[in-house]
Amino acid sequence: GQQVMQIPQYQHVQEGEDFTTYCNSSTTLSNIQWYKQRPGGHPVFLIQLVKSGEVKKQKRLTFQFGEAKKNSSLHITATQTTDVGTYFCAGRSGNQFYFGTGTSLTVIP
Amino acid sequence: DTEVTQTPKHLVMGMTNKKSLKCEQHMGHRAMYWYKQKAKKPPELMFVYSYEKLSINESVPSRFSPECPNSSLLNLHLHALQPEDSALYLCASSHLSPRVSDSPLHFGNGTRLTVT
Repeated sequence: GQQVMQIPQYQHVQEGEDFTTYCNSSTTLSNIQWYKQRPGGHPVFLIQLVKSGEVKKQKRLTFQFGEAKKNSSLHITATQTTDVGTYFCAGRSGNQFYFGTGTSLTVIP
Repeated sequence: DTEVTQTPKHLVMGMTNKKSLKCEQHMGHRAMYWYKQKAKKPPELMFVYSYEKLSINESVPSRFSPECPNSSLLNLHLHALQPEDSALYLCASSHLSPRVSDSPLHFGNGTRLTVT
């Protein structure tokens, strides 16, 4: 069945270091969304990518959608303690909308 | 803070109890969702309502019974739950949109349910 896997599952970084999470789908996605969930909180929408090869930036965050529309990445430059949380990708394939397995980011001050 | 309000925030119930989770949004969204989230796992879709009609039921056991009384309200009625049903139950809403570009999901803070 459809799976959207994210790697790594966990990442610990020193504050100021960069961070990247990768999202890989077994099927082509029509779009990809990214969400952030703080510890004890709820998922909050960050961004949506629709076009093949699309790149979008939000301040220190850079989002990419792969050319084949089967993978995506989120890169954070110079992490801060406020970046702590779990980052989920979510994508649509046909009638189904799937959340990825998530990457939990810890930032060490 | 979120524009999707869920009550209660916490709920402890026995396996023979009947309880209800409530969700409310006033953003004019015509799609509403129930998700279940276990610790350190992604949200799992349970139900989707479109225009107050149940459009998706992801093979959820009948001890979970959704209800959408109007376009702003979504309930989840619980009966005879099992301890493994303990989880964070998230309500979400969104605009209905063409599938190539999904509207973002707006989540509530969730109800943390413990079944004893």
